[in-house]
Amino acid sequence: GDSVTQMEGPVTLSEEAFLTINCTYTATGYPSLFWYVQYPGEGLQLLLKATKADDKGSNKGFEATYRKETTSFHLEKGSVQVSDSAVYFCAPSDGSYQLTFGKGTKLSVIP
Amino acid sequence: EAQVTQNPRYLITVTGKKLTVTCSQNMNHEYMSWYRQDPGLGLRQIYYSMNVEVTDKGDVPEGYKVSRKEKRNFPLILESPSPNQTSLYFCASSPSAGEVPGELFFGEGSRLTVL
Repeated sequence: GDSVTQMEGPVTLSEEAFLTINCTYTATGYPSLFWYVQYPGEGLQLLLKATKADDKGSNKGFEATYRKETTSFHLEKGSVQVSDSAVYFCAPSDGSYQLTFGKGTKLSVIP
Repeated sequence: EAQVTQNPRYLITVTGKKLTVTCSQNMNHEYMSWYRQDPGLGLRQIYYSMNVEVTDKGDVPEGYKVSRKEKRNFPLILESPSPNQTSLYFCASSPSAGEVPGELFFGEGSRLTVL
């Protein structure tokens, strides 16, 4: 079945630092790829997505590019803010409604 | 407001006392699912439902039951809770075919403690 390996946290950065959270996956076929974010005390919410190779998903200053050749979907942000402190989950879909979630990467941004 | 509503948000119970966590969505979504979140393990799927009266096991269904009698509701039933079911539970829903499968809308979570 599909699986996902996500960079282990926690990650602590200073405000305005550059963020990368690595995500690689194994999947049959060509999945859609998602990043979800979980703010403290809340449920997960979709951050961005990419549905085919070389697509770039972006939202709230975050970006991730669907790299089929390396089966990766790394999350990046050029300048993080304290409000970005959250847990981030990478999740490939097998093309149905079933997602495989990574274990999550906790990000703490300090002023 | 479009949302997925779970109740209760917090519950402390004792081993063996049956409980139900309700989940309701007002977006007319056909797909609904339950996950549990545990430290170091991420999110694991318990059960899911593609439509009314259609349910299937996820990765960790043991000790849980679900039903889908109406499109909007998808309750999670713990017939005889045990301490290893202490966890944070999330209900999620997704719109029907035509949207991108995988775009899930999550409830705010239900933190369950079984003593």
